[in-house]
Amino acid sequence: EAGVAQSPRYKIIEKRQSVAFWCNPISGHATLYWYQQILGQGPKLLIQFQNNGVVDDSQLPKDRFSAERLKGVDSTLKIQPAKLEDSAVYLCASSLEGGWNSPLHFGNGTRLTVT
Amino acid sequence: EDKVVQSPLSLVVHEGDTVTLNCSYEVTNFRSLLWYKQEKKAPTFLFMLTSSGIEKKSGRLSSILDKKELFSILNITATQTGDSAVYLCAVQGGSEKLVFGKGTKLTVNP
Repeated sequence: EAGVAQSPRYKIIEKRQSVAFWCNPISGHATLYWYQQILGQGPKLLIQFQNNGVVDDSQLPKDRFSAERLKGVDSTLKIQPAKLEDSAVYLCASSLEGGWNSPLHFGNGTRLTVT
Repeated sequence: EDKVVQSPLSLVVHEGDTVTLNCSYEVTNFRSLLWYKQEKKAPTFLFMLTSSGIEKKSGRLSSILDKKELFSILNITATQTGDSAVYLCAVQGGSEKLVFGKGTKLTVNP
């Protein structure tokens, strides 16, 4: 089965610019997650979707980050305006059901550098 | 707030050695603990441990869960250079949100 697809792989922008990341989950996976992984840290959940509805966005900095999952399949994560501390790898993951018995499958991530 | 602490943060061994990675956690309404291996790219799923499955084994890797003492270990025997990676532990509680530790960076030298 095809894995979770993400693009772009790398992005370098200046602070105050905007950027968008794209994710296509594994076919049939209802739940989609965006994680932020800062160098030397474990991934931190930004937002979780169940189909096209938001389940958890409590750690999403909503003043600058936004995400959508139209039609319950692909998702985009946007940062506007970017700050230096947003430099990280942004990982998208999907799971079949989103419950406790359904492991997450991760994409290769987008490495963002903000200068 | 759910919390996961992994130790050691980094470890350097020689091929053939056996290593034990530790993960302790605090979580409300524990549901599952997962181990992932992260090389340069995406974390790849290794094991899921739950109340009904407290011990898992796959080849040279094995893991146990101690729900009473709130910890898990990941054991790798006869290590190979290909085992070099960051190993992430994550727990899922009542909120169903997966909370990750900082990871253990394992380096296996030939």
